[in-house]
Amino acid sequence: DIQMTQSPSTLSASVGDRVTITCRASQSISSWLAWYQQKPGKAPNLLIYKASSLESGVPSRFSGSGSGTEFTLTISSLQPDDFATYYCQQSNNYPRTFGQGTKVEIK
Amino acid sequence: QVQLVESGGGVVQPGGSLRLSCGASGFMFSSFAMHWVRQTPDKGLEWVAFISYDGSNEDYAESVKGRFTVSRDNSKNTVYLQMNRLRAEDTAVYYCARGAHEFEYWGQGTLVTVSS
Repeated sequence: DIQMTQSPSTLSASVGDRVTITCRASQSISSWLAWYQQKPGKAPNLLIYKASSLESGVPSRFSGSGSGTEFTLTISSLQPDDFATYYCQQSNNYPRTFGQGTKVEIK
Repeated sequence: QVQLVESGGGVVQPGGSLRLSCGASGFMFSSFAMHWVRQTPDKGLEWVAFISYDGSNEDYAESVKGRFTVSRDNSKNTVYLQMNRLRAEDTAVYYCARGAHEFEYWGQGTLVTVSS
């Protein structure tokens, strides 16, 4: 199975900050990487697919980059609605696997 | 708009069975692959099962292989997860999700608790 490792596990930031989350795959997954945002009691919400494609309706302050084994999710200017947990997920092969999550907290 | 609604969760004893359902609306259900994903506070998000758009292909996580079966009825716009020989570690919120690679749409989830 492909292991997905996110860092950091928790991130404290202020409104307006630029935030970067990293996701590393245990082997190359080309660009088959998605990012999700999840708020308490809700299902995950797709933000980015194929490493850098912005899902329809997602604010442009979210962006993704990377290929192979290293990927990043960047929030250019953190907004109050962005405090949540973020997950990466590989779809290069089965089983689909997720990172352990990064919780973005208010500083 | 796309909507996925899970049902069938509840409390079941170890070794018991449960069938989850996921009703879909707002899109051409028979054209899309579907998945089941579960979530626990300890293990996070775990992909459980996949079924192709026409039901001809399936795949499962090793942790559920031989115990869980995914199926679909395209005439009813519904995907199912039959869960047998349930274990305490199957306790989770179970989501159905649409997508071939990434999971574009998710249901609201249904809680399965395996406990005596």
